[in-house]
Parts: sequence; structure tokens; C-alpha cells
Amino acid sequence: KAGVTQTPRYLIKTRGQQVTLSCSPISGHRSVSWYQQTPGQGLQFLFEYFSETQRNKGNFPGRFSGRQFSNSRSEMNVSTLELGDSALYLCASSSKWTGGSSYGYTFGSGTRLTVV
Amino acid sequence: TQLLEQSPQFLSIQEGENLTVYCNSSSVFSSLQWYRQEPGEGPVLLVTVVTGGEVKKLKRLTFQFGDARKDSSLHITAAQPGDTGLYLCAGLDSNYQLIWGAGTKLIIKP
Repeated sequence: KAGVTQTPRYLIKTRGQQVTLSCSPISGHRSVSWYQQTPGQGLQFLFEYFSETQRNKGNFPGRFSGRQFSNSRSEMNVSTLELGDSALYLCASSSKWTGGSSYGYTFGSGTRLTVV
Repeated sequence: TQLLEQSPQFLSIQEGENLTVYCNSSSVFSSLQWYRQEPGEGPVLLVTVVTGGEVKKLKRLTFQFGDARKDSSLHITAAQPGDTGLYLCAGLDSNYQLIWGAGTKLIIKP
């Protein structure tokens, strides 16, 4: 069974630009969650999608948005990039949404975003 | 704000030694998960504990969920260099939010 695929692996963007990150979950998984990981803040929850609906949202500004398609693939968009957005962005998939499952996540390898 | 505190934050020991990592909170969790993350990769799920007092073993790793479901521990016996990584715990709270600890960075020296 293929794992969670995130593209691209590495990205360098300039302050003020926007970026779109992609995540393909494990086949059959309908829940996709996005996290931001930085050395200082650890893992910070961005949002969770289940069957194309946003189920949960973390405490991030509106510049961070996401969506999920009918095939469960998800994209995350960050507009007007700031230096502080430099981080490892992780996507995680699960067969059920967080509230309905204690099965845990399968994470992708992440996208390392550097804003200069 | 709910917190899940992990201790120690950093641990460096010799191969063959034993160690315990702790995950503590004042909140009750319906379940708790442990992950290990290696540099440049995403976290990998090690175990999920659900029942208060539950103990799960994964080879040399022993996970315990506290009786009150507010804390958990991970004990590693005879640590090996391959155990090196960032260990994260995450608890599912009553609002169906997954609360993450900041992690314990573990280095096992050969």
C-alpha cells in the first residue's frame, strides 16, 4: 500500500509570494490533516478535512487555507508568505476523522518550505 | 489551554542503557498516541493506548497509559542507535482535538 505522498519535498519562496502544497493520502483514507512543524513551536495543527469538508481548524491566520478533492487528495495554500512561515509542513492521513478514531495518523515526509 | 508536557526535552545516553520518557497533562484523554520522528521525515506511529492502566510492548519499547488517562510513559530497554529520534506523544481530548507534546529528542551513542 503506497504511503502518504507530499509534493514538493523542498521549496524556496520569496516573502510576499504564495505557495500551494499537495498531499495524496493512503488509498481509502478519507481524512487529511495538515501540520506546521518548527523547532521552536513543535507540531502546530492547521486543519483537518474529511470527505471534502473541513472538520477542524487550528489557530492560524486566514492566509493559510486548504481544500480536499473528491479523490481525497488535499492541497494547502499559503498566501502573502512571511519569513516566519518557513517550516516543515506535514500532511497526515487517517481512515476516520480525528473525533471518530484513535487509530492514529500516517504522516507524509513533509514539504520543507523556506521563505527568503 | 490544554498542555501535554513531555520530559525530558533532550536525552543523550550510551547504547545498552535503559531510559524512560514521560508525557503528562492535567487533562483526561480518551486515547494517547506515541510517534517517533527522524530528521527530515514525518512522525511514524508507534502505538495507541486507549484504556487507563494499559501497557503495550513493542519489542524493547514499553508504553503505559496512566490509570486516570492523564499521563503516559515510554520505557526503552537496552537502547540502540536505531532508537535515536524525536519522540512525540499526542492525546485525543474530549473535544476531539489531538493535543501534541513538544517532543523528547533522544540520542543513543554507540
